[in-house]
Amino acid sequence: AQSVTQPDIHITVSEGASLELRCNYSYGATPYLFWYVQSPGQGLQLLLKYFSGDTLVQGIKGFEAEFKRSQSSFNLRKPSVHWSDAAEYFCAVAPTNAGKSTFGDGTTLTVKP
Amino acid sequence: SQTIHQWPATLVQPVGSPLSLECTVEGTSNPNLYWYRQAAGRGLQLLFYSVGIGQISSEVPQNLSASRPQDRQFILSSKKLLLSDSGFYLCAWSRGTASTDTQYFGPGTRLTVL
Repeated sequence: AQSVTQPDIHITVSEGASLELRCNYSYGATPYLFWYVQSPGQGLQLLLKYFSGDTLVQGIKGFEAEFKRSQSSFNLRKPSVHWSDAAEYFCAVAPTNAGKSTFGDGTTLTVKP
Repeated sequence: SQTIHQWPATLVQPVGSPLSLECTVEGTSNPNLYWYRQAAGRGLQLLFYSVGIGQISSEVPQNLSASRPQDRQFILSSKKLLLSDSGFYLCAWSRGTASTDTQYFGPGTRLTVL
């Protein structure tokens, strides 16, 4: 069975600073990987996903993520954070054989003015 | 375009009372439907999923049940709520069952059991 770990429960960055949110997964092969964002009291919105090919994936809202097989990681990055990026971010992994996604516990991002 | 609705948005219920949460999808047919629960400070736990009318798969044994009376309607129910049922309930849909199929989430229902 697959699993996902988001080591950072809460991260605070200043507006305009760069951001990296960590995600590590456990799976027997290369899984499908996702990052979602959840604004307070809202549902989840897909930011980006990795299935195969180029290991650097571009998403919406200026986010990108890099798949590193050797580190079993799929970290989310943004070069310059905006106050509107304050939210909770979830990494998810799904097996390649049509199984269900497993979500991490999330990282809450606070943006300081 | 497709939209997904959930209601109510918030609900406060006493322990032992029944529950009915509704999710509907518009703009697509034969979607796959999902119910998730998000406990405070935790990720999403898949509760149920459905690939068609009357077809429900339960992922976690618990106090809840799900039904799909119509193609684009998914209902989460309980006969007697427990304190541990409190949480944020999210409905989602996808076009297929492949892992590559994007899931689209509804706005959620905040349930507080007192």
